[in-house]
Amino acid sequence: EAGVTQFPSHSVIEKGQTVTLRCDPISGHDNLYWYRRVMGKEIKFLLHFVKESKQDESGMPNNRFLAERTGGTYSTLKVQPAELEDSGVYFCASSQVRRQGSEKLFFGSGTQLSVL
Amino acid sequence: AQSVTQLGSHVSVSEGALVLLRCNYSSSVPPYLFWYVQYPNQGLQLLLKYTSAATLVKGINDFEAEFKKSETSFHLTKPSAHMSDAAEYFCAVSPMNRDDKIIFGKGTRLHILP
Repeated sequence: EAGVTQFPSHSVIEKGQTVTLRCDPISGHDNLYWYRRVMGKEIKFLLHFVKESKQDESGMPNNRFLAERTGGTYSTLKVQPAELEDSGVYFCASSQVRRQGSEKLFFGSGTQLSVL
Repeated sequence: AQSVTQLGSHVSVSEGALVLLRCNYSSSVPPYLFWYVQYPNQGLQLLLKYTSAATLVKGINDFEAEFKKSETSFHLTKPSAHMSDAAEYFCAVSPMNRDDKIIFGKGTRLHILP
């Protein structure tokens, strides 16, 4: 069974450019989460989809970040325009059961974003 | 509100020695507690989790953690370190019986010395 896949694994862009990250969850997982880790800091929650609906987007830093999950399958996270402080590793995770604490999250290997 | 503090961003142990990674949590409600591991170039993988069934939790690769409410701790241990244990370890907390997000610590990178 394929795990959670993220693309690209690395992205280097200049400040002001646009970047789109993609996450393919495990097939059949309705829940999809985005997290971000800035270097040396904790992994922070960004948002949670249940199927195609945004359940919780309280962690999104600002309106330069746009997440979508059309059709309830894969998800994209677009940063436009990118700023230096957006650099970090962006993780995607998926699960079958809604409550994060009660069910194991399956994580992708992350996208390392570097904004120069 | 919930938070997690991991003591030591880097820990080095000799191969065969005891591994101890410290985690203290803060939670206003009974918590679920987790340890995740990230090996190089891989995603986060669940090592073990505490869900109130037993205070001593056993995980994969001989890791275990003990929930101590009085100390608000959930330290991760392994009796004998192996070179393959070199990775970054994250402690995490989420509220029990509530639909809320998982809060992660800053991580501890474990180095294994030959």
